[in-house]
Amino acid sequence: SQQGEEDPQALSIQEGENATMNCSYKTSINNLQWYRQNSGRGLVHLILIRSNEREKHSGRLRVTLDTSKKSSSLLITASRAADTASYFCATGGTSYDKVIFGPGTSLSVIP
Amino acid sequence: DGGITQSPKYLFRKEGQNVTLSCEQNLNHDAMYWYRQDPGQGLRLIYYSQIVNDFQKGDIAEGYSVSREKKESFPLTVTSAQKNPTAFYLCASKDRGRTSTGELFFGEGSRLTVL
Repeated sequence: SQQGEEDPQALSIQEGENATMNCSYKTSINNLQWYRQNSGRGLVHLILIRSNEREKHSGRLRVTLDTSKKSSSLLITASRAADTASYFCATGGTSYDKVIFGPGTSLSVIP
Repeated sequence: DGGITQSPKYLFRKEGQNVTLSCEQNLNHDAMYWYRQDPGQGLRLIYYSQIVNDFQKGDIAEGYSVSREKKESFPLTVTSAQKNPTAFYLCASKDRGRTSTGELFFGEGSRLTVL
């Protein structure tokens, strides 16, 4: 079962623009995480937001979480060509839970 | 350096053969995971293990088997019963301690192609 669902499936923007990706989930969570995957590589953890947090920042990344709507968003500001990758949200993540990923958003940043 | 090593990176298999994908970690993590990724799609959970000698089925366990005899190792066997095994396989681990952030650490993946 897919816990997280990202939107949009694909996003193409110009370098310097902001990119926003959304994630919806179905059941209660302890935290929500965002990962990045370059083509043909493993995933890299970007940021985690706990269920009692509403917003979190890390460098050019800003994540929001709305537990009442069961949704999260990832904002990448001032995008760079190197940000081109697929981005996934994942839910679960406590020591004893399985971690479930959404289908991902493919981001292309055009120089 | 600490991390997760998957091998082989590329593997070709004839129909009807079992193959085993290796996953080794030196992060001292208790939890380990196997995911399958098909082209342009997300990750689907095959099996996960929270502790040595214990593992649980994920969402798509049919046709796969695992073992967890050592903390650092979590091999995945793709059996001949798996109807469509061609995919990219990702192994991950996670710290289960009280200070754990819940972050998954991933290997670089193994790409299996059935001929």
